[in-house]
Amino acid sequence: AQSVAQPEDQVNVAEGNPLTVKCTYSVSGNPYLFWYVQYPNRGLQFLLKYITGDNLVKGSYGFEAEFNKSQTSFHLKKPSALVSDSALYFCAVRDKAGANNLFFGTGTRLTVIP
Amino acid sequence: DAGITQSPRHKVTETGTPVTLRCHQTENHRYMYWYRQDPGHGLRLIHYSYGVKDTDKGEVSDGYSVSRSKTEDFLLTLESATSSQTSVYFCAISESLGTTKDIQYFGAGTRLSVL
Repeated sequence: AQSVAQPEDQVNVAEGNPLTVKCTYSVSGNPYLFWYVQYPNRGLQFLLKYITGDNLVKGSYGFEAEFNKSQTSFHLKKPSALVSDSALYFCAVRDKAGANNLFFGTGTRLTVIP
Repeated sequence: DAGITQSPRHKVTETGTPVTLRCHQTENHRYMYWYRQDPGHGLRLIHYSYGVKDTDKGEVSDGYSVSRSKTEDFLLTLESATSSQTSVYFCAISESLGTTKDIQYFGAGTRLSVL
């Protein structure tokens, strides 16, 4: 069975500091991993994904994520947080060999404090 | 929102009535999805479509049906609405699977309240 865990419901970080939003996953095969962001009253927006290749993936708005197979993690990071990064972040996983649907985590609300 | 229009954006209905939500895309993408978003659950897949008239169930399909008679339209029907179906519903589309274009793009959502 596929699943995603986002252990923190809420992350607070000061503007200008580095931020990390955590994600761990469970799949039977090799994973496709995704990060999405949701602003209030909007749909989800794609940030980045890992399919294969380099473990460090760079995405939109200066975000990056590191795939760690041994720890089954795919944490989202940004070197310097902006107030405008405040939003709800979702990690998602799909088994390459399985059904085409994504399994989403429960989300982490990021608040960047000015 | 990537050429995806969901209608209506808001709806209030009564228990036991049928409700249809519409997703319309202008991207000509093959795959379409319906999700519901609830606090503490993230997004959960209801149904998806991999082509005209080709659909399959997701993890929370009970009480819902879908139809796709044209590439651009994917309809979600709540056959007899219940209060547990109060939620925000999102449509998503994707062009392909297992390639660099394997990305789901989401509509703005429909907020449904069942009283």
